[in-house]
Amino acid sequence: DAKTTQPTSMDCAEGRAANLPCNHSTISGNEYVYWYRQIHSQGPQYIIHGLKNNETNEMASLIITEDKKSSTLILPHATLRDTAVYYCIVTRHPGGTSYGKLTFGQGTILTVHP
Amino acid sequence: EPEVTQTPSHQVTQMGQEVILRCVPISNHLYFYWYRQILGQKVEFLVSFYNNEISEKSEIFDDQFSVERPDGSNFTLKIRSTKLEDSAMYFCASGAGTTNTDTQYFGPGTRLTVL
Repeated sequence: DAKTTQPTSMDCAEGRAANLPCNHSTISGNEYVYWYRQIHSQGPQYIIHGLKNNETNEMASLIITEDKKSSTLILPHATLRDTAVYYCIVTRHPGGTSYGKLTFGQGTILTVHP
Repeated sequence: EPEVTQTPSHQVTQMGQEVILRCVPISNHLYFYWYRQILGQKVEFLVSFYNNEISEKSEIFDDQFSVERPDGSNFTLKIRSTKLEDSAMYFCASGAGTTNTDTQYFGPGTRLTVL
C-alpha cells in the first residue's frame, strides 16, 4: 500500500472549514484514499473515501487531485466535537491478493477551538 | 445503524494468563480484522479473517495469538499467554468485502491491561 504524509497538527476555529491535506505520491490506480478519525482512544471512525473523483457525504468532502498524488479532507463547519486525530490511508479493496488491511500512520491532530 | 460491538470494554489480567477478546461484527459482513493500539502509538494491523481462515497477518500476530469465528456472529481474538507488552487497546473491525467499496467499521475497543 502507498505511503501517506500528513501534517502533525492543525488548528481550526469553530464554525470554519477545516482542510486537512494528505500526500500519497506513490498511489496506484486501483488504490483508494480513505479518511478515518479517532477521538481520544475510541475506535477509528470512518469518514469518507474515494478512488479518483471528489466525494461528499454528510460528514465531509474529499478532494483528490487529478494525478491522485494528494488529497484534502474538508470538514465544512468544524465543531469542538471534531477535535480528533485524522488518518489518511491508502489501500486496495479486498480481491485478488488484497484483504483490505488498513495501515495507519501518525495522522493529523486537529484541534478545533472556540 | 448497525455497529461493531466488543466485550469486555476493559480486561485486566496477570502475565501468563490467557485472554479472549470478543467482537460481534456487523451482520452480513465478510471480512473481519483485529488491530491494536499501544498507548500513545499508532493503530497497528494484527490479522484479517475471511472465509473462516486467516487471510493475512502481521509480524505481531505470532503463535501466542489466534482468531476464531465460533458461530455466525462472534469473532474472537485469543492471546494464549499474555505478556506485559500486550497491554493495549484492541479494536475489531469488519467490512462488507464488495469490490466497489469496502469500508471497515471499527468497534469501540477492549482495553487490555496485563499486570
